[in-house]
Amino acid sequence: AQSVTQLGSHVSVSEGALVLLRCNYSSSVPPYLFWYVQYPNQGLQLLLKYTTGATLVKGINGFEAEFKKSETSFHLTKPSAHMSDAAEYFCAVSGAANTGNQFYFGTGTSLTVIP
Amino acid sequence: DTAVSQTPKYLVTQMGNDKSIKCEQNLGHDTMYWYKQDSKKFLKIMFSYNNKELIINETVPNRFSPKSPDKAHLNLHINSLELGDSAVYFCASTLAGSYEQYFGPGTRLTVT
Repeated sequence: AQSVTQLGSHVSVSEGALVLLRCNYSSSVPPYLFWYVQYPNQGLQLLLKYTTGATLVKGINGFEAEFKKSETSFHLTKPSAHMSDAAEYFCAVSGAANTGNQFYFGTGTSLTVIP
Repeated sequence: DTAVSQTPKYLVTQMGNDKSIKCEQNLGHDTMYWYKQDSKKFLKIMFSYNNKELIINETVPNRFSPKSPDKAHLNLHINSLELGDSAVYFCASTLAGSYEQYFGPGTRLTVT
């Protein structure tokens, strides 16, 4: 069974400050991990993903995330927040093909950037 | 070119009506999904089709019936709409083995 927990349904940061969005997962198989962003009234856009290999993955718009197996975490970071980063962020885990590539999403974190 | 498209984008209807939402992808993917996003932004998978075959059917009312005429299309028909069906419905697609899903822009359904 797989699940995702996103700590903090709302996060506020000042423009230029570090962004840290937390994601912890549970998975009975090697996980594939994803971060998606949803801008207001839009669909979900892939920010980055971890499947295998390097545990620090870089995504679009300056975001990155690190897979830490020992902590079962996949936190999303960005060194300096921009106003345009204000959106809803979803962490997701996927397992093996026999689950139909089923994604399990976290409950989302709404990021507010304060000017 | 739009990768995953949905029609309509907005749908307002009355309780008891029957409506359909359509989804098309031009990515050559073989697996498609329907998700429901509620007012609290929670995303819940409803159905998944692989090569026109239903492979995931989560616990949803049987008023919801998906249909996949071919690999590129997955439609969602909803009978006897209820107030609780109001939500944003997202279609997504993937290629088996790639583990990355591509989402459509969503259909905002409002039942009055």
